[in-house]
Amino acid sequence: NAGVTQTPKFQVLKTGQSMTLQCAQDMNHNSMYWYRQDPGMGLRLIYYSASEGTTDKGEVPNGYNVSRLNKREFSLRLESAAPSQTSVYFCASSESSAVQYFGPGTRLTVT
Amino acid sequence: GDSVTQMEGPVTLSEEAFLTINCTYTATGYPSLFWYVQYPGEGLQLLLKATKADDKGSNKGFEATYRKETTSFHLEKGSVQVSDSAVYFCALTDTGGFKTIFGAGTRLFVKA
Repeated sequence: NAGVTQTPKFQVLKTGQSMTLQCAQDMNHNSMYWYRQDPGMGLRLIYYSASEGTTDKGEVPNGYNVSRLNKREFSLRLESAAPSQTSVYFCASSESSAVQYFGPGTRLTVT
Repeated sequence: GDSVTQMEGPVTLSEEAFLTINCTYTATGYPSLFWYVQYPGEGLQLLLKATKADDKGSNKGFEATYRKETTSFHLEKGSVQVSDSAVYFCALTDTGGFKTIFGAGTRLFVKA
């Protein structure tokens, strides 16, 4: 039982490049989330998916797109990376208890 | 909108000292309240939670009581250890249960 897994763990991009962050959970949770963590700002919600087939914007969705591929997988895409998107990205999942289970994070640097 | 405010860090304590990290919230309805902990290089993990007023969450010697009258959920531990060094996040989940709002986090350093 791996919980929530994320790939890659680290990534360096040049401005304008694109990439997709992958997330998968094996807990059969309905809801999945993408956050970014920046120093002194806690976690900010980028997008979430309350259930398979639905996605909604969070607090900071600009510059990102998401796909809920199936119940297990929720990917985050940066179409044209900018230095302001340098951050640590966390995927999480949850069920009715509202407790969130987090992956180990992806550390992204955009130069 | 809903929000969470927690004390700024870093907090530096000696081993066996008493810990308090303050957390207050603003929310409509009846949110659930959480404390999460993040160890270096890892994702957040649940430390404790409380789902209604006057509930006390507890885990690993940490406690927090859901105080609706003061809209607070302060984290306490009677005797901290070096292994408690981490970043602590206070959070609330709205009544619908889909979205969680996190505080900015408080970094704790415990010296031997």
